[in-house]
Amino acid sequence: EVQLVESGGGVVRPGGSLRLSCAASGFTFDDYGMSWVRQAPGKGLEWVSGINWNGGSTGYADSVKGRFTISRDNAKNSLYLQMNSLRAEDTALYHCARDYYDSSGTSHQFDYWGQGTLVTVSS
Amino acid sequence: AIQMTQSPSSLSASVGDRVTITCRASQGIRNDLGWYQQKPGKAPKLLIYAASSLQSGVPSRFSGSGSGTDFTLTISSLQPEDFATYYCLQGWTFGQGTKVEIK
Repeated sequence: EVQLVESGGGVVRPGGSLRLSCAASGFTFDDYGMSWVRQAPGKGLEWVSGINWNGGSTGYADSVKGRFTISRDNAKNSLYLQMNSLRAEDTALYHCARDYYDSSGTSHQFDYWGQGTLVTVSS
Repeated sequence: AIQMTQSPSSLSASVGDRVTITCRASQGIRNDLGWYQQKPGKAPKLLIYAASSLQSGVPSRFSGSGSGTDFTLTISSLQPEDFATYYCLQGWTFGQGTKVEIK
């Protein structure tokens, strides 16, 4: 059974830092790209960052570029998100999600999600 | 960047109703679109990928159609467990969401 379990959320002051982790199990972790997707309270879904299977390619939403860094440790089946210079608008539930491509390799989705870890940025 | 416009933002329907939700892309995206269901306090669940392919384990009352810029998620006969919020996703951009409520 595929499982994704996030941790590391909490309350942090504006300008502070947090490191989120996602522990993966039930599949061959280094076969898949992974992403972080967040949801502010009462709001919709926003892709934050993604990383390919070996960490050689990363991407970021404009809203977090230059402040957040995604990484992975395939030996530990783990995904990370280092969040610096946090702002009130970063307050959200952060989910890790597994990238899925259809057989043609052209259609991208997220096929498994964790339950999320809550980040609250407040003074 | 491609923009996704999802409509309606909410709808009220009864059990047994046929429900349709749409997403429009700001430019052609072939069939690169998926649909998700999210219930309160839960992670999103993939229903449809590549515009019309049903994800394994998803009931057949859910279907997707469209290509290019206009896409549709249809629930053929709404069930009590289908009351939720639905999102489309193109690449890395989500639609705004549609909340399906009980009439």
